[in-house]
Amino acid sequence: DGGITQSPKYLFRKEGQNVTLSCEQNLNHDAMYWYRQDPGQGLRLIYYSQIVNDFQKGDIAEGYSVSREKKESFPLTVTSAQKNPTAFYLCASSIFGMNTEAFFGQGTRLTVV
Amino acid sequence: AQSVTQLDSHVSVSEGTPVLLRCNYSSSYSPSLFWYVQHPNKGLQLLLKYTSAATLVKGINGFEAEFKKSETSFHLTKPSAHMSDAAEYFCVVGALTGTASKLTFGTGTRLQVTL
Repeated sequence: DGGITQSPKYLFRKEGQNVTLSCEQNLNHDAMYWYRQDPGQGLRLIYYSQIVNDFQKGDIAEGYSVSREKKESFPLTVTSAQKNPTAFYLCASSIFGMNTEAFFGQGTRLTVV
Repeated sequence: AQSVTQLDSHVSVSEGTPVLLRCNYSSSYSPSLFWYVQHPNKGLQLLLKYTSAATLVKGINGFEAEFKKSETSFHLTKPSAHMSDAAEYFCVVGALTGTASKLTFGTGTRLQVTL
């Protein structure tokens, strides 16, 4: 089945540690995205990538980093510079076009302990 | 710049009664508009999208939305609520940035369905 796979589903991090969230898609989509979700705030864009080896900052990129070495993969690293990393993280992908929807993974819930 | 305002953070209806979730948007260009649904601790699923082909858009699970340019609105409706409709709903406006569709989300409306 085609889709987006995020792993792990739950992740616990100690303060000061970097952690990497995985996102893989087999939909052959060019564009991929990372969103952060906090209660009552909707989804906010962290980073997005239009093609391999290229990515752009979204609205809240500080404290995060990404890579896009393969079309299928777009991992997100939450660094120790991110002051409030506890959140629900969603990865998405889409094809090219104005009216094309994004397809979402099931999310990773990150908790700092 | 584009933005979305969901006018109600929480809506409660009885099973079998109509649902109305309100959304207003702001966009510099002719917008692409979407409604997504999210069940607890899950990803988002597309309900429907506006593509400018028709102002009344039908989606999955009996939902529909009407695009009203004069009111800059894209309200989501369903004639009869079901218990399984209880979830969070997001109104989204899209803009094309290169080859990526940059989506701006509203803050969400939590729909509660009671017996």
